[in-house]
Amino acid sequence: EPEVTQTPSHQVTQMGQEVILRCVPISNHLYFYWYRQILGQKVEFLVSFYNNEISEKSEIFDDQFSVERPDGSNFTLKIRSTKLEDSAMYFCATGRGDTDTQYFGPGTRLTVL
Amino acid sequence: AQSVSQHNHHVILSEAASLELGCNYSYGGTVNLFWYVQYPGQHLQLLLKYFSGDPLVKGIKGFEAEFIKSKFSFNLRKPSVQWSDTAEYFCAVTPISGGYNKLIFGAGTRLAVHP
Repeated sequence: EPEVTQTPSHQVTQMGQEVILRCVPISNHLYFYWYRQILGQKVEFLVSFYNNEISEKSEIFDDQFSVERPDGSNFTLKIRSTKLEDSAMYFCATGRGDTDTQYFGPGTRLTVL
Repeated sequence: AQSVSQHNHHVILSEAASLELGCNYSYGGTVNLFWYVQYPGQHLQLLLKYFSGDPLVKGIKGFEAEFIKSKFSFNLRKPSVQWSDTAEYFCAVTPISGGYNKLIFGAGTRLAVHP
């Protein structure tokens, strides 16, 4: 069964550094999402992406965050200048339709020191 | 603001006990409803979902959930749990508002089943 994959599984970075988290969606999926979960807190929506555009973003998704699908396969989340409070598990999810089931990747644990 | 509440943060059961996990949401319009499960060391997996039709939905591994619109609830049930059901369970809703709909998650319920 096809799965969403994410790399790396764990990323450790220094405060102020840029990080790029990568996701490979299921091949026929057109809708892409990023969520995050700070330790001990809820899974929170960050951004949705369709047709090479951001379709919705949360208040968390400020100017430090960006998403793109550079080569038609990978879907990336970039954090330009990481802060301590960006430490979290970041989940990519993809779906066939806009209200369809979202399938989640295994997550990337980001630790900002 | 839209939100999802899960009433139990930690539940401990013995094998063969019955399970019911509560979930309530706050949104006045149409929603799609989901339960996701995260087994230890694994990623979020869909357990079951409700979009429309029969409000009692059956999912994988013997789980079911009932949508009660008047109570804004979508409780998860299983008549007899197994040790392998030890996991964290997340209720989530998608408000239907014209596309690209995000999932709004509850805080999760950590279930431990003892043999």
